[in-house]
Amino acid sequence: EVQLVESGGGLVQPGRSLRLSCAASGFTFDDYGMHWVRQTPGKGLEWVSGISGNSGRIVYADSVKGRFTISRDSSKNSLYLQMDSLRLEDTAFYYCAKDIGNNYWYYFDCWGQGALVTVSS
Amino acid sequence: DIVMTQSPDSLAVSLGERATINCKSSQSVLNSSNNKNNLGWYQQKPGQPPKLLIYWSSTRESGVPDRFSGSGSGTDFTLTISSLQAEDVAFYYCQQYHGIPITFGQGTRLEIK
Repeated sequence: EVQLVESGGGLVQPGRSLRLSCAASGFTFDDYGMHWVRQTPGKGLEWVSGISGNSGRIVYADSVKGRFTISRDSSKNSLYLQMDSLRLEDTAFYYCAKDIGNNYWYYFDCWGQGALVTVSS
Repeated sequence: DIVMTQSPDSLAVSLGERATINCKSSQSVLNSSNNKNNLGWYQQKPGQPPKLLIYWSSTRESGVPDRFSGSGSGTDFTLTISSLQAEDVAFYYCQQYHGIPITFGQGTRLEIK
């Protein structure tokens, strides 16, 4: 069974940093691209970042470019999102999601349960 | 950026009746390399992550009931639930994966009338 489990969410002050992790299981991790998607409580979905299976292709939404860094570790079957210079508007549930492709971007066939990040002073 | 606009924002349908949700993209999402539309549909129930229903605009994901169907091409797409069941109450989102940034529609809330 494909499973994605996020961790690392919490309450953080504006300007500080936080790192999210996503533990993957049930599939060959290196064979698939991965993404982070966020959702403000009660609002819609916003794609944040994507990374190809070999980490050779990385893309970001303009709203996080230069502040967030996506990475993955095949030895740990894990996806990460380093979030620096956090802003109030970064408050959201953050989901990791599995792409059906590897080196190009397609649809997401599995999502984690999400991790809540709250940016507040 | 490709803007995805769904209509309506909210929809109430009687049990057993048809529900139709529309999605319009600001530019074509037709993939010329495979002649498929880079368009997916997701269902999200309260407290749960989104679940993939439809990809390539009309291909049903494994395990999704056949009352769910997708149609359309280019810039105009439709998700249809042929006979609404109580468990279909949820938010529905379209997504384009034609270009970066990947973008979603604003969502449609589906309720029972």
